[in-house]
Parts: sequence; C-alpha cells; structure tokens
Amino acid sequence: DAGITQSPRHKVTETGTPVTLRCHQTENHRYMYWYRQDPGHGLRLIHYSYGVKDTDKGEVSDGYSVSRSKTEDFLLTLESATSSQTSVYFCAIRPGPRYPYEQYFGPGTRLTVT
Amino acid sequence: GQQVMQIPQYQHVQEGEDFTTYCNSSTTLSNIQWYKQRPGGHPVFLIQLVKSGEVKKQKRLTFQFGEAKKNSSLHITATQTTDVGTYFCAGVALNSGGSNYKLTFGKGTLLTVNP
Repeated sequence: DAGITQSPRHKVTETGTPVTLRCHQTENHRYMYWYRQDPGHGLRLIHYSYGVKDTDKGEVSDGYSVSRSKTEDFLLTLESATSSQTSVYFCAIRPGPRYPYEQYFGPGTRLTVT
Repeated sequence: GQQVMQIPQYQHVQEGEDFTTYCNSSTTLSNIQWYKQRPGGHPVFLIQLVKSGEVKKQKRLTFQFGEAKKNSSLHITATQTTDVGTYFCAGVALNSGGSNYKLTFGKGTLLTVNP
C-alpha cells in the first residue's frame, strides 16, 4: 500500500505526557498528511506537508505539531496529550502534484490517552 | 469552511439488495473522491470524479458527480458481503487557490450486509 508505515501501531499514554507518532514512506512522495478518525466525525485533517520543512495546519490542528526534516518521514507530536486526543491517527500520502489527486493511507495508529 | 455532508450514516441491507450513499458539499468542488474502509482497516481510494455530470462504473459500483459539482452518489448493485465497510466521499474545493491537496471528508456511510 504505497509503502507507508506508521509507528507505533498502538499506544497507551497518560494525560500530560508528550507523544510522537511517525509516518514513514519509501517512495519519495512530496505530499503527506495526518488525519484523525473518531466515531461520528469521519476523517479530519490535522496537518499536512508539501515538502521538506513545508507544513501547514488542517482543520483540527490545536494541540498538535508536526515536523518533516526528511522527505520520507512526517512526525506528529502531541506536546501534552489530553483524553480528547484519544483517536485513531492515519497518515496519508498523495503521489501528485498533478491529476489525479487521490491519497493513500497508512495502517493507522490507535492512541489511547488515560 | 467547506463542509461535506453524507447520508445515510448507516445502511443495513440483505445480500443482493442495492445500496446508495449520497454526498453534498457546501461549496462547488474541483473534484470528488470516494474511499472505502473495511472494519479495522484504513481508507482505500476507489475513484475520482472531475467533470460535471460525470458517471463512472467499477463492476457493480456506479459513481456520479452532479451537474453543479456540489453533490455525488455511489450506488452498489446487488450487494455482496464483501461490500461491507464504511464509504467516504471527499472533496477538493474549487476555490482552493491552486492548493489542490486538501481533502474534506464526509462522515461516511457504514454499510452492513446480511447474508
């Protein structure tokens, strides 16, 4: 599936602790995305990247930061995890920039904040 | 901001029955995409529609893009148990200023099929 891996796949952490999720791709795609998925909300964009060190906010970016120092890695950090950040996190890539614009998703990380 | 609404939220059918999910955007879209997510899995790209009034078929699945490029539908003929999952539409706003790389997802329709 487009050579996307996410780590860890599952994590349980306590409120107030920092957490970093990693998305790794092997095919040198320029565009990468972080989404969260919650029951009743579908997929919501947190942050995205359009190149090394080029990132921007999505619709639910509060409480999250990202970094992309290499093409292949896109990191999502929760500086101080809260229970409302319990969710399934998906990374996606877009082969783009030209048509078509479809995205390919990683397997997801299930994060529980207690 | 742009909103994409999808109905119904849930649909349960008997195997062999047809199924349709509808997607409506608050703004005109540049293109619309459909994804399928199996239980416990990740979203998988199905198709993209770009042209006004476009209709595309994939075996038993028929996808339509409205004339005004604000709505879309996915129709499955004669459902099978393998069709079980959540179907999402996702749109790119027409006035996204060339930044055609942000998708807004609908909340999805969960399809269950009784064998």
